[in-house]
Amino acid sequence: EVQLVESGGGLVQPGKSLRLSCRASGFQFDNYAMHWVRQAPGKGLEWVSGIRWNSATIGYADTVQGRFTISRDNAKNFLYLQMNSLRPEDTALYYCAKGTRGLDSWGQGILVTVS
Amino acid sequence: DIQMTQSPSSLSASVGDSVTITCRASQGIEKYLAWYQHTPGKVPKLLIYAASTLQSVVPSRFRGSSSGTHFTLTISNLQPDDVGTYYCQKYDSAPHTFGQGTKLEIK
Repeated sequence: EVQLVESGGGLVQPGKSLRLSCRASGFQFDNYAMHWVRQAPGKGLEWVSGIRWNSATIGYADTVQGRFTISRDNAKNFLYLQMNSLRPEDTALYYCAKGTRGLDSWGQGILVTVS
Repeated sequence: DIQMTQSPSSLSASVGDSVTITCRASQGIEKYLAWYQHTPGKVPKLLIYAASTLQSVVPSRFRGSSSGTHFTLTISNLQPDDVGTYYCQKYDSAPHTFGQGTKLEIK
């Protein structure tokens, strides 16, 4: 069974940093692209960042470009999101998701509050 | 960046009805388009990828189609469990933008 478990969220002051982690299990992690998606309170889904299986291709939403960095450790089956210069508008539930043809598995999400 | 325009923003229908949600890309994305259902309290669920390919275990009542930059999700024989917000998402290249969402209510 595919499992994605996020951690590292919490309350942080504007301008500070936070690092999210996603532990993956139940599938061949290094075969799949991985993504971060967020949902701000009362808003829709927003794709944040994605990384190919071999880290060769990485992309970001314009709203986080230059502030967030995605990475992965295929040996440990972990996905990361380093978030710097956090803003109140980054407050959201952050999901880790797996997939190359659509996002077919999602974690339960981790809450990040910037205030 | 390519914009994804989804409509309507909300709709209400009865059990047994059929509904259609549309998503338009501002530029060509071939068939790199997915549809999701997001029910409150649950994680988003992939319904369709490649514009028209049904994800495993998704009922055949859900159908995706495309014509150029215009994509549609049709749900037939609406069931109470179909309530939720539906999103399209492009995944041809970054950013993998979601549409604004369509909130579906069952009368």
